[in-house]
Amino acid sequence: KAGVTQTPRYLIKTRGQQVTLSCSPISGHRSVSWYQQTPGQGLQFLFEYFSETQRNKGNFPGRFSGRQFSNSRSEMNVSTLELGDSALYLCASSLVDLVQETQYFGPGTRLLVL
Amino acid sequence: AQTVTQSQPEMSVQEAETVTLSCTYDTSESDYYLFWYKQPPSRQMILVIRQEAYKQQNATENRFSVNFQKAAKSFSLKISDSQLGDAAMYFCAYRRPYYGGSQGNLIFGKGTKLSVKP
Repeated sequence: KAGVTQTPRYLIKTRGQQVTLSCSPISGHRSVSWYQQTPGQGLQFLFEYFSETQRNKGNFPGRFSGRQFSNSRSEMNVSTLELGDSALYLCASSLVDLVQETQYFGPGTRLLVL
Repeated sequence: AQTVTQSQPEMSVQEAETVTLSCTYDTSESDYYLFWYKQPPSRQMILVIRQEAYKQQNATENRFSVNFQKAAKSFSLKISDSQLGDAAMYFCAYRRPYYGGSQGNLIFGKGTKLSVKP
């Protein structure tokens, strides 16, 4: 099976702009989670989508949003970018049954805000 | 709230030797999952090993094994016969199960950077 894919891999934006990142989960996986990784804060959970519904949300401002499509692909959007949004954004997918509860990660999107 | 602590920011091991990375966690839950992920310079997060809290037997995956001490809330990773390709950041992570509507996101430690010397 193909792994989790994320596009684009690299992005450079300026303050005030908005950005959309995309994630395609492993085939058959129905849950997609997003994480932000920065040197200072480490890995922090953004949100999780399951069957097109946001099931879980981390402690991030409303500028961070996401959605999931019927094919389980997910997008996250960051509006009004700030310098502090520069980070590696990781997407992870999981099968979500009671047996397989492991999240598998994509390669990440590296966002630089200037 | 659950927390995960990795007290060793950096570790070093000689090739072919054994190294143990430490992880402790805090939770009031009795059912949960623990993971070790590896992040090499490519930044791809790779699952190394996982442990279900209800299982007393320690998980093993080839050269990787864990020492899970539930009462002590300790979850260390042992890497045997270390190889140059093992050099990476290692993250310990905690996760609650999905059933019962609980939040199933991963909670990560700050990571341990492992260097392997030839």
